[in-house]
Amino acid sequence: GAVVSQHPSWVICKSGTSVKIECRSLDFQATTMFWYRQFPKQSLMLMATSNEGSKATYEQGVEKDKFLINHASLTLSTLTVTSAHPEDSSFYICSASPPGGGVGQPQHFGDGTRLSIL
Amino acid sequence: ILNVEQSPQSLHVQEGDSTNFTCSFPSSNFYALHWYRWETAKSPEALFVMTLNGDEKKKGRISATLNTKEGYSYLYIKGSQPEDSATYLCALGFQKLVFGTGTRLLVSP
Repeated sequence: GAVVSQHPSWVICKSGTSVKIECRSLDFQATTMFWYRQFPKQSLMLMATSNEGSKATYEQGVEKDKFLINHASLTLSTLTVTSAHPEDSSFYICSASPPGGGVGQPQHFGDGTRLSIL
Repeated sequence: ILNVEQSPQSLHVQEGDSTNFTCSFPSSNFYALHWYRWETAKSPEALFVMTLNGDEKKKGRISATLNTKEGYSYLYIKGSQPEDSATYLCALGFQKLVFGTGTRLLVSP
């Protein structure tokens, strides 16, 4: 159980394009999902917390107008990289966990999206 | 800024060797310590979540210990197999996680 699906797995597009990445919880409802990114040779860094039915909360240094997050249902969060530029090229990955599990519950991750902006 | 450090950065062992990695973290404001195994092109797989000082957990040939007072956790793999080859991540926190950079393990047949 507790499967998270992420789509697409990789995207290559031109500078200035907007790219949408989807994160779905397949067998549980997730009121909260998390978006991370990883640059080469660095650790996974939390970008934002996606909250179902309300605004996302962004970590310091992450532009909310650049990375639009929508969490319109209990099983789907989307991250849209608007007007993407080469410096946005990175690995993006989402996580979620079933509600009520407490501090000892692990996060479940999607497979991630490799984004390359030309 | 919370800093989680892992060592070594990478490790190459022979099949059958036992190995261990370290995760170091600040001992203040501790919630939980997570270990994940991350194979290429797959999603990170949760191995352990540890919350109490002195916790020891085991899953098959893999085990982990936790010392929250001195701020470290060890992950042990007994009798490494080629299928253990992966990056092992540790992370600190509850839901919102702060990750180390990982230890990349390669096990040769």
